[in-house]
Amino acid sequence: DGGITQSPKYLFRKEGQNVTLSCEQNLNHDAMYWYRQDPGQGLRLIYYSQIVNDFQKGYIAEGYSVSREKKESFPLTVTSAQKNPTAFYLCASSIGGGIPEAFFGQGTRLTVV
Amino acid sequence: DQQVKQNSPSLSVQEGRISILNCDYTNSMFDYFLWYKKYPAEGPTFLISISSIKDKNEDGRFTVFLNKSAKHLSLHIVPSQPGDSAVYFCAASVPSNTDKLIFGTGTRLQVFP
Repeated sequence: DGGITQSPKYLFRKEGQNVTLSCEQNLNHDAMYWYRQDPGQGLRLIYYSQIVNDFQKGYIAEGYSVSREKKESFPLTVTSAQKNPTAFYLCASSIGGGIPEAFFGQGTRLTVV
Repeated sequence: DQQVKQNSPSLSVQEGRISILNCDYTNSMFDYFLWYKKYPAEGPTFLISISSIKDKNEDGRFTVFLNKSAKHLSLHIVPSQPGDSAVYFCAASVPSNTDKLIFGTGTRLQVFP
């Protein structure tokens, strides 16, 4: 089945530690995205990548880093510089080329204690 | 600065009736709009979209209306079904960067028997 896989579904980390969230897609999509959702708020774009080996900052990139070494994979690292890392993180992909309709993964809920 | 607003956090509708979800935007440069549906602890699912060159787009029970002069769009669901109970997000993008979607805060729809 084609789709987007995020792992793990739930993640707990101690404050001050970096953590990497996995996102893999087998839809052969060029574009991939990371969003963050907080209670009572919409999805906010963290980073996006339109093509392998290239990525751009979204609206709330501070404290996060990404890489896009393979078309299928777009991992997100939440660094210790991110002041409020506890949130629901969503990865998405789209065909790209100006077509914004995106397919989302199931999400990872990160809790930092 | 919330450029995409969904002013009704929740909506309750009886099964079989029409559900109308509203979305307002402030940026006149937005030219593409999307609606997503989200169940708890899952990623959003794309529902329907509309380009600014149109004022209506239909897909089965779902119709999106766009009023550019009022900077307003709405999603109509007819007839509403219990399975439609979810959070609905509208999103918008500008022509210069269709990858950078801006989402509203969502409206929780509950369809009761």
